[in-house]
This record gives sequence, structure tokens and C-alpha cells, in this order.
Amino acid sequence: AQSVTQPDIHITVSEGASLELRCNYSYGATPYLFWYVQSPGQGLQLLLKYFSGDTLVQGIKGFEAEFKRSQSSFNLRKPSVHWSDAAEYFCAVYGQNFVFGPGTRLSVLP
Amino acid sequence: GAVVSQHPSRVICKSGTSVKIECRSLDFQATTMFWYRQFPKQSLMLMATSNEGSKATYEQGVEKDKFLINHASLTLSTLTVTSAHPEDSSFYICSASGTLDTDTQYFGPGTRLTVL
Repeated sequence: AQSVTQPDIHITVSEGASLELRCNYSYGATPYLFWYVQSPGQGLQLLLKYFSGDTLVQGIKGFEAEFKRSQSSFNLRKPSVHWSDAAEYFCAVYGQNFVFGPGTRLSVLP
Repeated sequence: GAVVSQHPSRVICKSGTSVKIECRSLDFQATTMFWYRQFPKQSLMLMATSNEGSKATYEQGVEKDKFLINHASLTLSTLTVTSAHPEDSSFYICSASGTLDTDTQYFGPGTRLTVL
């Protein structure tokens, strides 16, 4: 069975600081990988996705993620966080099914 | 591209009544639509998957007679919560995948259901 973990429930960073959100998955093969962002009371917006090819993928809003097969990870990064990035971030994998991680809440300090 | 809308965005109803939530793909044909439920401060729980013109496939533990899903066209799916009770209060989110990008789900803004 496939699963997704996001080890950090809540992360707080200062505006302008760099950010890394962790995502690990369990699946027998290489799944499709996604990062979504959810603002309070809103639906989910796709930030980026990885299907194959270059393991460093660029997304919207200055985000990028790197797929590391050896670590079964797909961590999300941003070099400089903006106050508007405060939201809930979900990692998701699509292998046999579409499975979401538990989410990481990002707070940004002014 | 890849815009999904939901209507209504917020609904309050009395216990025992039925509520219908619409999910529309505005600029692509959605061959598959998904319905999720999200509890406060929690991740999304997949309720069911529907393919256009077919019966929905429900996840284990989801009552199909209570949560009626119809996917009658390539741009519209509906979720009807029948005989709603306070425990059905939740945030319901739909997503769609289809001709635009078959392996990616695009999400609607969600519907907040409150049952009094």
C-alpha cells in the first residue's frame, strides 16, 4: 500500500528566510508526486508535480521540489518566503491511488 | 486553464434535509471527478471517484446511500448529502482530471456545509 508522510505538522519561518517542507512516500515504484497549497477556507492549488525526467521541478510562486529516489522524498523548497505563503501545504502521491499527506502548516513571521 | 468551480461555497441547512453541491470544470472536460471531505486542521479524505456516465466508486466506510454522486456530463458532477445530520457538517472539496491533464487533479474552492 502506498503512503505519504509529512514529518512537520507546523513550521514557522521569518519573512525572507528560506523554506524546506519535507515529504516522504512509500510505494513499490516511482509514483507521480505533487505539492498543493491550501489557504484558509479555500480549495487546493497545484504548486508543482513530478512525473519523470529532471528530478528538480519548478513550480508556481517561486517554489521548487526535488525528487530523491534513494530517500523516497519529494521536498518542497523556496529560497525566500513571503508573508502570503502562509498556508497549509499538502504533498500527494499517485501510484495505485491518489493519497495525500497530513499537511504542514506554514506560519510566516514579519 | 484547469479551473474547477463549486456551488454553493457555503450552505447551512436543517437536520433531516438534503443538500446538493455542484462541481464544474469550466475550461476542460473532466472524465473523472473526485469528492473529498476535510475536517478542521486535517488532510483530505477521499469519499468517492466518479467517471462520466458511470456509477461512482465509494471509498470504504462512505455510505453511498447518504452521499449520492452523479456525474452526468463531462463538466458537471453533483454530491447530494441526503437526510443531513450535524455530524455531516464539514468542508467538501471536489477535484477533476480529464482531457487537459489526465494524471493531475485540479481542485474546486470547496463547500462549507453546516447542518443545524
